[in-house]
Amino acid sequence: DTEVTQTPKHLVMGMTNKKSLKCEQHMGHRAMYWYKQKAKKPPELMFVYSYEKLSINESVPSRFSPECPNSSLLNLHLHALQPEDSALYLCASSQEAGRLIGRSEAFFGQGTRLTVV
Amino acid sequence: DQQVKQNSPSLSVQEGRISILNCDYTNSMFDYFLWYKKYPAEGPTFLISISSIKDKNEDGRFTVFLNKSAKHLSLHIVPSQPGDSAVYFCAASDSGAGSYQLTFGKGTKLSVIP
Repeated sequence: DTEVTQTPKHLVMGMTNKKSLKCEQHMGHRAMYWYKQKAKKPPELMFVYSYEKLSINESVPSRFSPECPNSSLLNLHLHALQPEDSALYLCASSQEAGRLIGRSEAFFGQGTRLTVV
Repeated sequence: DQQVKQNSPSLSVQEGRISILNCDYTNSMFDYFLWYKKYPAEGPTFLISISSIKDKNEDGRFTVFLNKSAKHLSLHIVPSQPGDSAVYFCAASDSGAGSYQLTFGKGTKLSVIP
C-alpha cells in the first residue's frame, strides 16, 4: 500500500462552518504534512508532524487546526475560513522524520479541493 | 525571494524526443533535490531524486543531472511519451539543523505532442 488517502475530495463550506479534512497512510511513515496549493502556484507547507508531534507550523492562521490522532492519521480542522482560503489542500507523508525529513520522497494524496463561500 | 526557480512555465516536445526540464536554486545549503510530477486534480507524485554528493541519477527514462557549481539541475526524459504530459515540480531540501521542508519551484507544464 503506497497510498495517501484524503477525504473528502471536494468540500464547499460557508465562512461560519466548521469542517475537517482527513488524511490516512498505512506505509509506516513517520512524518506527515499539510500543504496548501493555489492555482498555478507550487505547494506551500503549512504543518509538519514528526513522530505524531507537531514540529513545524509555518505561521498558519489559527482558523486552521491540525491534529494527529495516531501515526496513520492526520486531520485538519477548519473554522471561520475566508474565501481566500479556497485552494487545494494536500496531505503528504514520508518515511523519514526529524532531521532526515527532507531526505526521503514525500507521497502525496490527491488533495481536497476546498471552496469557501 | 524564490530559492528554487523553474524559469520555463511550459514546454512542448514531440513524442519520442528528449524533454529537458530545468531548475535553478539560490540556497547553497540545499543538499537534496527531488522532481515531482503532477496531473490535474491529483497530488504530486515523486519521480526521482539526487543527493548533492552525486551529479547524475538515472531511473528508466528519467535522468536528473546536478551541477552544484552552477546551482542548476535538470530532468531529462527520453523518449518522451504523451503520458508524460503533466506539470513537473523541482524541489530542494536542506538537511541542516532545523530544516524540515521541501522548497518547491513554480513548476513547468510539459506537453508531449503525439
